[in-house]
Amino acid sequence: AQKVTQAQTEISVVEKEDVTLDCVYETRDTTYYLFWYKQPPSGELVFLIRRNSFDEQNEISGRYSWNFQKSTSSFNFTITASQVVDSAVYFCALSEPYNQGGKLIFGQGTELSVKP
Amino acid sequence: AAGVIQSPRHLIKEKRETATLKCYPIPRHDTVYWYQQGPGQDPQFLISFYEKMQSDKGSIPDRFSAQQFSDYHSELNMSSLELGDSALYFCASSLATGTAKNIQYFGAGTRLSVL
Repeated sequence: AQKVTQAQTEISVVEKEDVTLDCVYETRDTTYYLFWYKQPPSGELVFLIRRNSFDEQNEISGRYSWNFQKSTSSFNFTITASQVVDSAVYFCALSEPYNQGGKLIFGQGTELSVKP
Repeated sequence: AAGVIQSPRHLIKEKRETATLKCYPIPRHDTVYWYQQGPGQDPQFLISFYEKMQSDKGSIPDRFSAQQFSDYHSELNMSSLELGDSALYFCASSLATGTAKNIQYFGAGTRLSVL
């Protein structure tokens, strides 16, 4: 069965600190996609990144970076120089192969609080 | 760019009433998903449609039904509402092909409160 685990329920940092959100997944599929979504206090779910199982290159987008390691089934997310606006719940998710429906299986979420 | 539109944004119902949630996917997106997010929980998959046909079903109660119409908008119908149905309901849409395939873009959600 597929599963996503975000062991950190809550993280609190002070502005400008770097913070890493951990994500570990389980799947028997050889082809799959991994995602990160942000849910700010307003409630919407905002897409941040998609990574497919064949691409283990790390990615950087501004202050955000992602580390995908297939060997440890991890897809961690780092925010550099955090800002108050980064305060949100962050979800890691795994999708089934599209021919199986493609639904997202979410982790429990990590609530990040960035204090000024 | 156009996003996924959900209506209403907020809905208050009494127990045993019926509710209808609407979703308008991003234009040209061929797949629609519905998720339910309880307080403090992660979103749980309910049901999905591809090209107006049901493609997958999750832990959706029998009291709930959904369909996708010819204009690709989707509706989630919920009957005999229970207190436990109070949640944030998300619709998401995606493309089945292309470089952006499988990326699900979410609407702002409908917050349903059952009293």
